[in-house]
Formats: sequence, structure tokens, C-alpha cells
Amino acid sequence: GAVVSQHPSWVICKSGTSVKIECRSLDFQATTMFWYRQFPKQSLMLMATSNEGSKATYEQGVEKDKFLINHASLTLSTLTVTSAHPEDSSFYICSANRTPYEQYFGPGTRLTVT
Amino acid sequence: SQQGEEDPQALSIQEGENATMNCSYKTSINNLQWYRQNSGRGLVHLILIRSNEREKHSGRLRVTLDTSKKSSSLLITASRAADTASYFCATVGRDDKIIFGKGTRLHILP
Repeated sequence: GAVVSQHPSWVICKSGTSVKIECRSLDFQATTMFWYRQFPKQSLMLMATSNEGSKATYEQGVEKDKFLINHASLTLSTLTVTSAHPEDSSFYICSANRTPYEQYFGPGTRLTVT
Repeated sequence: SQQGEEDPQALSIQEGENATMNCSYKTSINNLQWYRQNSGRGLVHLILIRSNEREKHSGRLRVTLDTSKKSSSLLITASRAADTASYFCATVGRDDKIIFGKGTRLHILP
């Protein structure tokens, strides 16, 4: 099956710093990738849709200047949390479309901001 | 924003019993999917049902879809301790976005 990886799997950073999370489709090309955030004991909330070679589309309420998304190639999308604060601590999950009916999720990245 | 609403929010049953979870959604969909997530872990895709399908089976899983009522159900038969997890329904619209419901926390009692 198709594999999507995320790096790092967990990260701890200090308040005010920026953190970059990578999402890679390992054995297929993905023109579209999605980023989700999940707070403890809650569901996944779609943050943005990332399209290769174009600007990301953000969901309502998601600050695009705080969560920078770059989809540089057909196998890589990055999410940068800028000037992170403790309230940004969360589980961040990406997914990648192999076809419109096949979307594969990464294992997630746990971010803790101290 | 979230599309689906799962019912119940939490469910505890004895091992061996069947577990039923329901999901309702609001807008038109291309397909509906069910996922499992163990605590603090990634998602596991369970089953996908297309909008023109009414029922689908996979092992001990049975999923139904009623597009007229905008609802779906997931039945897990002969539950096992390893089925303890959170279960999410997720709808996919024409824009290919997957929108998750709030989830049901299932606990299988030994």
C-alpha cells in the first residue's frame, strides 16, 4: 500500500520559535496534500489543502501567516508553525491523495510548545 | 469545520458483543469513510463506502450508508479487546477534502 511519512514524529520547542514538519509520500506522487490538527480527545480538524506548485488553501479560522505551508514537489509538503505558543501544542497529521478516492494519512507529529 | 456527528460519543461493551456507531453529516458526499485511531497514534483506514452504495462488509465490519438521511453506521461484530479505540467517520465531497466527525470512543470490557 501507499505510504506517507512525517518528520519529526514528535518535537518539543520553546515558545516563540518556529517548527517545521515534513510530510512525504514515499511511493507515489501527490498533487494534493492536506494538513490536520488534533487536540487531545478531539477529532481531526482540517487546517489547509496544499497543492503542488500553488498556494495553500486554508480553512476558516486558520491563520495562514502562522501556519506556513509549502508544497514544493509532488512528494513533499511542509508545515511551519511560526512563533509557536503553548496553545499550538497538538497532534499534526498530514494526508496525501494518490487518486481522488485514495487518501493516505501520515503517522502524525506531536508538537509540544513549552 | 466538522461535517459528521458520531453517536454515541462513548461506548463501553463486553467483549464478544457487537458495537454499533452512527454518523450523520450535512452536505452531499462522494464517499464516506471510517477510521480507527488508538490513543495518541495515527489513523487506520477501515472502510470506504461510495455514495451510490448502501452497504459494505469487511471482515467483522459492516457499514451502511443512507444518503437520503445523510447517515451511516459502523457495526463491529464479536468485539475484541483490541477493538478499543476511537472511531471516526469522515466524509469526502467533490473537493476531495476529508472532513472528520467528532468520533466515538469505544471501550471493550474484558
